[in-house]
Order: sequence, then C-alpha cells, then structure tokens
Amino acid sequence: TQLLEQSPQFLSIQEGENLTVYCNSSSVFSSLQWYRQEPGEGPVLLVTVVTGGEVKKLKRLTFQFGDARKDSSLHITAAQPGDTGLYLCAGTGGGGNKLTFGTGTQLKVEL
Amino acid sequence: EAQVTQNPRYLITVTGKKLTVTCSQNMNHEYMSWYRQDPGLGLRQIYYSMNVEVTDKGDVPEGYKVSRKEKRNFPLILESPSPNQTSLYFCASSFRRHNEQFFGPGTRLTVL
Repeated sequence: TQLLEQSPQFLSIQEGENLTVYCNSSSVFSSLQWYRQEPGEGPVLLVTVVTGGEVKKLKRLTFQFGDARKDSSLHITAAQPGDTGLYLCAGTGGGGNKLTFGTGTQLKVEL
Repeated sequence: EAQVTQNPRYLITVTGKKLTVTCSQNMNHEYMSWYRQDPGLGLRQIYYSMNVEVTDKGDVPEGYKVSRKEKRNFPLILESPSPNQTSLYFCASSFRRHNEQFFGPGTRLTVL
C-alpha cells in the first residue's frame, strides 16, 4: 500500500497570512489530486496535476507536482476564513493502480 | 442535479445488529467506492466496484460487505457491527477509477 503523508497535520493562522501544505510519498504517482472538505460535507476536487514539475493556480491557491512525481505542495496566499477546511491529497498509480488518499491537513483561518 | 446520496446521515446502533448504508448516484458513473474517515488516518478505502456485479476489496474490508446489482446503487452492509467500526463513512463515484471522485455527504455511524 502506498502511503501519502501530509504535513502539517493541523494549521491555525490569521487572515492574510500565507501557508504551504505538503504531500509526500516514497512512491511515484502518475497523477495527484487535491480535495477540500468542509465540515459536514464530502471532499470536493480542487485540482489534478499530472506532469512532473507542473504548477497550477486556482485564484489564491497554487499547486505544484514534484519533478519526480513523489510529492506535491499546496500554497495559499493571503488566506481567508473561507479557506478553512480539511485539505486532502490523493495519488493515482504508484504501482498499485489505485487512488490513495493522504492523511489530511486541517486548516483554520481566523479573523 | 448531479449528486451522490447516502442514507442515513447519522446512525447509532448496538454491537451485532446488522445495518445497511445506502448509496446512490445519478451520473451514470461506472466506478463507485466506500471510504471510512478517522482522525489522523485520512480516507481509507473499504470496497470498490468497477461496474455492475464487479466488486473488490480496498484497504480495510474486514467486517464489511457490498453489492452492485444496479449501476446507480452501491450499498454498504455491516453484518455484525463492532465498536471499532464507529466512523464517518463516505460513498464516492467517478467515470473511471482515477478520475475525479464525487463524494456523498457522509454517514456518521456510532456502534455502542
């Protein structure tokens, strides 16, 4: 079973601060998805990255897939309370031909 | 509206009392799966189905059963629930296994 470790596990910041969430594995993935989950709801897809070194932007969120396709990062610029939620990465492929979810990062953005 | 529905949303039961959590999707997706979510462990896959009558074990299948008699439905069955199955359960569907997963709203299960 491939493992995806996310760090940090918890993050509490003030509105306007920047932050980076990491998703790391020892396995190579063919693609990586990022989801956000809000309380009482299921996860919702934010982005999929496929190519090593790929960078995708979604408003204030920047996603990067590592050159070796073993890791990914999510950077949020000028965080807002609406960014609060659980962020999950999920890798596909990695030799196991399945979708594996990371351990999650719980983000809280306070006013 | 395209969606995945689960019922019930909340369930409190006792050890050994069989229960079924229903899952239905209206997007004609081939792939469906069940996950459980526990603090610090992320989402772990219980069972998945590639298509009608095709199901297979995920990472944590012990104590669970599933069936896929129709494309839209994928119920999760706990024949004899135990307290360690207390968790938040999500059903998900997608066109193919590695495509975007569409999740249901979750079922919070407590087994006493």
